Amino acid sequence: GQQLNQSPQSMFIQEGEDVSMNCTSSSIFNTWLWYKQEPGEGPVLLIALYKAGELTSNGRLTAQFGITRKDSFLNISASIPSDVGIYFCAGRLTHTGGGNKLTFGTGTQLKVEL
Amino acid sequence: EAQVTQNPRYLITVTGKKLTVTCSQNMNHEYMSWYRQDPGLGLRQIYYSMNVEVTDKGDVPEGYKVSRKEKRNFPLILESPSPNQTSLYFCASSLVTGWDTQYFGPGTRLTVL
Repeated sequence: GQQLNQSPQSMFIQEGEDVSMNCTSSSIFNTWLWYKQEPGEGPVLLIALYKAGELTSNGRLTAQFGITRKDSFLNISASIPSDVGIYFCAGRLTHTGGGNKLTFGTGTQLKVEL
Repeated sequence: EAQVTQNPRYLITVTGKKLTVTCSQNMNHEYMSWYRQDPGLGLRQIYYSMNVEVTDKGDVPEGYKVSRKEKRNFPLILESPSPNQTSLYFCASSLVTGWDTQYFGPGTRLTVL
């Protein structure tokens, strides 16, 4: 099945730094979602994007739906220790019969150094 | 409290011994789904259900069965587990569609020897 490529795979940053990660696909999506997963828990939705070019913020998080509809970006400003976790992108393919299934990226593991 | 529950949370079993992982949600959600999570592969969808008695295959359905007899429950059945089904499994639900807010359960870690 379709997989989304996320980069970087992992990041080790200093507290207070800004973080950027992205997700790319060979197929067009009409919805992009960003999730965060903390150890021992299921993913939690952070931001949802529904339109090409859309830029949406949630506190210190900002995500963008790429204009080509094949990519999305997530930025975290002024990182803090509780930002630690794995960040996943997810998308829905735009084709007839695609159903209501999400395809997830491979994840970006974020570690924050005090 | 609105939640998705899964049982068991941890399970070690042997090849070929049938098992069921239960999933239940108390939010009256129509859509429910099962995922497996493996290192380096992210989450991959196994099966999903858009409503009672309506189920469909995700990206990796081989070796799994599901049923949706009641709105709140969506059990995952492994008729004859194999070691390559060792994984972390998540159940999720959402109000209607699969791409608005999905609430995930806490996960079930399955080991098949």
